[in-house]
Amino acid sequence: AQKVTQAQTEISVVEKEDVTLDCVYETRDTTYYLFWYKQPPSGELVFLIRRNSFDEQNEISGRYSWNFQKSTSSFNFTITASQVVDSAVYFCALSDNYGQNFVFGPGTRLSVLP
Amino acid sequence: NAGVTQTPKFRILKIGQSMTLQCTQDMNHNYMYWYRQDPGMGLKLIYYSVGAGITDKGEVPNGYNVSRSTTEDFPLRLELAAPSQTSVYFCASSLMGGFLFYGYTFGSGTRLTVV
Repeated sequence: AQKVTQAQTEISVVEKEDVTLDCVYETRDTTYYLFWYKQPPSGELVFLIRRNSFDEQNEISGRYSWNFQKSTSSFNFTITASQVVDSAVYFCALSDNYGQNFVFGPGTRLSVLP
Repeated sequence: NAGVTQTPKFRILKIGQSMTLQCTQDMNHNYMYWYRQDPGMGLKLIYYSVGAGITDKGEVPNGYNVSRSTTEDFPLRLELAAPSQTSVYFCASSLMGGFLFYGYTFGSGTRLTVV
């Protein structure tokens, strides 16, 4: 069975601090996809990134970066120089090769204080 | 393109009432899903469909029914609403298949309160 754990329920940081959101996953598949979604206070779900299991390169997009480590089954998300607009719930998710068995983690609520 | 459209955005039901949450997508996606998000919790899959005429249960299907008569529409029906069904409901769709799978496109959600 697939499982995603986000051990941090809530995180509060002060603006401009860096913050890392942890994601640990479990799967028996050799090919799978990992995702991060953002859910701002307005409620919609926003796709941030997809990573497949064969690509362990870290990725940077502006202030966002992702660290994928198969050895520890982790896919952590770092926001550099956080801003108030980053305040949201962030979900890590896992799917098999065809997008079935799509499992979300419980989410981490990030509050960035001015 | 509108993407995934859900209606209504908000609804209050009395215990025992029934209703249908509408979901339509215009991206010609084969796969569609219904999730519920309870307050302070993650998303749980209710039902999904891999194409017109095909539906299957997810993690929490009890108390719900779905149908998929067309590629575009995937309505979710609540029969005999209960307070435990108070939640935010998200419809999603995806273009499936290996490297073509880029995750879901979500609707904006329906906030349902059962009193």
